[in-house]
Amino acid sequence: AQSVAQPEDQVNVAEGNPLTVKCTYSVSGNPYLFWYVQYPNRGLQFLLKYITGDNLVKGSYGFEAEFNKSQTSFHLKKPSALVSDSALYFCAVRDRGYGGSQGNLIFGKGTKLSVKP
Amino acid sequence: DARVTQTPRHKVTEMGQEVTMRCQPILGHNTVFWYRQTMMQGLELLAYFRNRAPLDDSGMPKDRFSAEMPDATLATLKIQPSEPRDSAVYFCASGFLAGGSYNEQFFGPGTRLTVL
Repeated sequence: AQSVAQPEDQVNVAEGNPLTVKCTYSVSGNPYLFWYVQYPNRGLQFLLKYITGDNLVKGSYGFEAEFNKSQTSFHLKKPSALVSDSALYFCAVRDRGYGGSQGNLIFGKGTKLSVKP
Repeated sequence: DARVTQTPRHKVTEMGQEVTMRCQPILGHNTVFWYRQTMMQGLELLAYFRNRAPLDDSGMPKDRFSAEMPDATLATLKIQPSEPRDSAVYFCASGFLAGGSYNEQFFGPGTRLTVL
């Protein structure tokens, strides 16, 4: 069965420090991987995705994520956190293929990132 | 700037009443999703459509929920009768899926439903 796990409910970081939000996945074959961010009272916003190619993917707002096939992980990172990065972050995975339910995104439970001044 | 729009943004209703939520997907997208978000369950997929055809609605309580796409510019989610446990934020998202390519889903701002 396909699944994605975000092992941390909350991550606390001081402003200016690097941040990492963890994600691991389980799918058959090679996955498409996504990160989304949700600010309070807003919908989810796309940050970045991994489809193929370079394992380090750069996205919006200075975020990047590293795809690690051997560890089945896709951790979200940022070198220097901002208070405005405080939000709920979702990792998602989609199995490759077309038709039927294979087009779905499977979302993790979300990780709340809190960046303190 | 293309966006997914949802109406209403907020809805307060009494138990037993019918609730209709509407979504306008981004023009050109061929896939529309309905999600529900609660503190307890997180983000749940309720139903989705491709080229206006329903592909999967296994996440919906069939006896009270229904989802339709009357045309390419409108998706609806109805709850009849509504119950307090339906209180949640309902999100619509759209995307484009074709052959081997898949673009990200774009989410609307959500409808916050409160059933008293």
